[in-house]
Amino acid sequence: GAVVSQHPSRVICKSGTSVKIECRSLDFQATTMFWYRQFPKQSLMLMATSNEGSKATYEQGVEKDKFLINHASLTLSTLTVTSAHPEDSSFYICSARLNQETQYFGPGTRLLVL
Amino acid sequence: GDSVTQMEGPVTLSEEAFLTINCTYTATGYPSLFWYVQYPGEGLQLLLKATKADDKGSNKGFEATYRKETTSFHLEKGSVQVSDSAVYFCALMGAGGTSYGKLTFGQGTILTVHP
Repeated sequence: GAVVSQHPSRVICKSGTSVKIECRSLDFQATTMFWYRQFPKQSLMLMATSNEGSKATYEQGVEKDKFLINHASLTLSTLTVTSAHPEDSSFYICSARLNQETQYFGPGTRLLVL
Repeated sequence: GDSVTQMEGPVTLSEEAFLTINCTYTATGYPSLFWYVQYPGEGLQLLLKATKADDKGSNKGFEATYRKETTSFHLEKGSVQVSDSAVYFCALMGAGGTSYGKLTFGQGTILTVHP
């Protein structure tokens, strides 16, 4: 299957700082990418849909000013966690959509906010 | 809204044992159903899918049948291997409304297979 990369794979930051996570589609151009959050022993929760060249669409309850998404090219979407706090510590996963029913997932980014 | 409930784990089996991981769903309309697998250190990979009622998805010896009457999509494998040890996620893709085209996941089931 296609390859989607995420960088960094894990990051530790101090409370109040901002962290940027990159998601790259290496094998195809993705008009749409998704960002998920996964808590320990829980399912993936969709945070937002990232659309190339337009604003992201956020799910209910997700603060758009806290989780900034930029999809400036067909192969790159970034998620910036602004003014991170310990409650933002989580596993963040992105996916790139190939077609209506096919998404390829990145390996995830572990964020720890101290 | 849409939801997926799958069997809680962890599940521990001996090699060559039979595997069932139950999955039921609640959704509007006729969603597509998926099983994803996540191996340690890797991203989720599509294992199999079914797009309409009574369809059977299969891959690598795993099977699941889309049962609309019971709103279920149980994952089965007749003889598991150590290499099947992973986390398995049941998911649906919304068919209408605000969930159209979006994946909703179950909580994941950790499978460990011992030699």
